Amino acid sequence: EDKVVQSPLSLVVHEGDTVTLNCSYEVTNFRSLLWYKQEKKAPTFLFMLTSSGIEKKSGRLSSILDKKELFSILNITATQTGDSAVYLCAVRRDDKIIFGKGTRLHILP
Amino acid sequence: DGGITQSPKYLFRKEGQNVTLSCEQNLNHDAMYWYRQDPGQGLRLIYYSQIVNDFQKGDIAEGYSVSREKKESFPLTVTSAQKNPTAFYLCASRLRSNTGELFFGEGSRLTVL
Repeated sequence: EDKVVQSPLSLVVHEGDTVTLNCSYEVTNFRSLLWYKQEKKAPTFLFMLTSSGIEKKSGRLSSILDKKELFSILNITATQTGDSAVYLCAVRRDDKIIFGKGTRLHILP
Repeated sequence: DGGITQSPKYLFRKEGQNVTLSCEQNLNHDAMYWYRQDPGQGLRLIYYSQIVNDFQKGDIAEGYSVSREKKESFPLTVTSAQKNPTAFYLCASRLRSNTGELFFGEGSRLTVL
């Protein structure tokens, strides 16, 4: 059975801290791994990863994929209160896309 | 502007009634998806469609039905057979390419009274 597991499920840190969110998966016919940020309703796209070891970066956010160990991490440096959200990891196998339960991140001022 | 429109945003229904949630996209995307989100949960896949007149069950399809008669539209019917239908429903679409990420609508919140 395909599965995507995120950890931790919840995280509270202070503004300025660095956080690492984890996503492991077991999926046949893996095509890509995606990260999304959900603040209120519609998740917004952050990264798509298809190749191992190549870091994707956008401002203070970065992500990397390890296809041998079947996991990805999402790093956020110098966190701000605006980073408070649920971060969702998803994996695509062919056209099917399945999500983990998400990590709820809360940044204290 | 291009995007995905879900309606209604909020919906109340009595037990035993079927209800249909609308999802329309003008992004010319091939594939469309329906997900359900419960508090503290991630997104669980209900149905998805790769092309017109074809769709596949996701992980929690029981009690739901869909149709894909047009490329732009992928309505979801929540039937009376769905045991616990109160939830937040998200529709999404993507291009069927290696780099096609999911774009989401704003969601529909269904409450069964």
